[in-house]
Amino acid sequence: DQQVKQNSPSLSVQEGRISILNCDYTNSMFDYFLWYKKYPAEGPTFLISISSIKDKNEDGRFTVFLNKSAKHLSLHIVPSQPGDSAVYFCAASRRFGNEKLTFGTGTRLTIIP
Amino acid sequence: DVKVTQSSRYLVKRTGEKVFLECVQDMDHENMFWYRQDPGLGLRLIYFSYDVKMKEKGDIPEGYSVSREKKERFSLILESASTNQTSMYLCASSFLGGSYNEQFFGPGTRLTVL
Repeated sequence: DQQVKQNSPSLSVQEGRISILNCDYTNSMFDYFLWYKKYPAEGPTFLISISSIKDKNEDGRFTVFLNKSAKHLSLHIVPSQPGDSAVYFCAASRRFGNEKLTFGTGTRLTIIP
Repeated sequence: DVKVTQSSRYLVKRTGEKVFLECVQDMDHENMFWYRQDPGLGLRLIYFSYDVKMKEKGDIPEGYSVSREKKERFSLILESASTNQTSMYLCASSFLGGSYNEQFFGPGTRLTVL
């Protein structure tokens, strides 16, 4: 049972435009949502997170939006840069009792110069 | 800076061999995790540990075992490697009760089983 889903395996965006990566989840008990970025032959690195009590969190060019009623989150990157080309994973976690992260399948973002 | 290191970046083994993948973290994290990453399947949790000598099965533990004798070290063992265990293996660690349960990852080990 895939509790966290990223339905777009890949996305291509022109440099300077907005990149929007989407993630859906099924478990309403999740408290935390995180986005990780992964380059080939490297481990994932943390990008941005949001708590279930918020609907938006912003960090520089990166903004994460959470729609709890739709069980949907999205990552916006504005403006997109060539260095943003990577695989992006969303992940979710509960606050107490279980500190595992449940990951989505990833979206490969390619920024076209 | 948190540092998670893995013993090998690339490894080639033969079917039936016993394989050890080592992971060390230097930030005194309580939690440690082993994942494998395969195209189209994302990161799947194999085993995790909340404390020394403690281990719990993740989503895909079959064919694997783990060992945590010291807090900073978490080993993944493939008792008898098979070709379907060819994958990228990622180790991660986190603080107990850390912010958003954020995990810090090592660089990964690309294992090929022939």
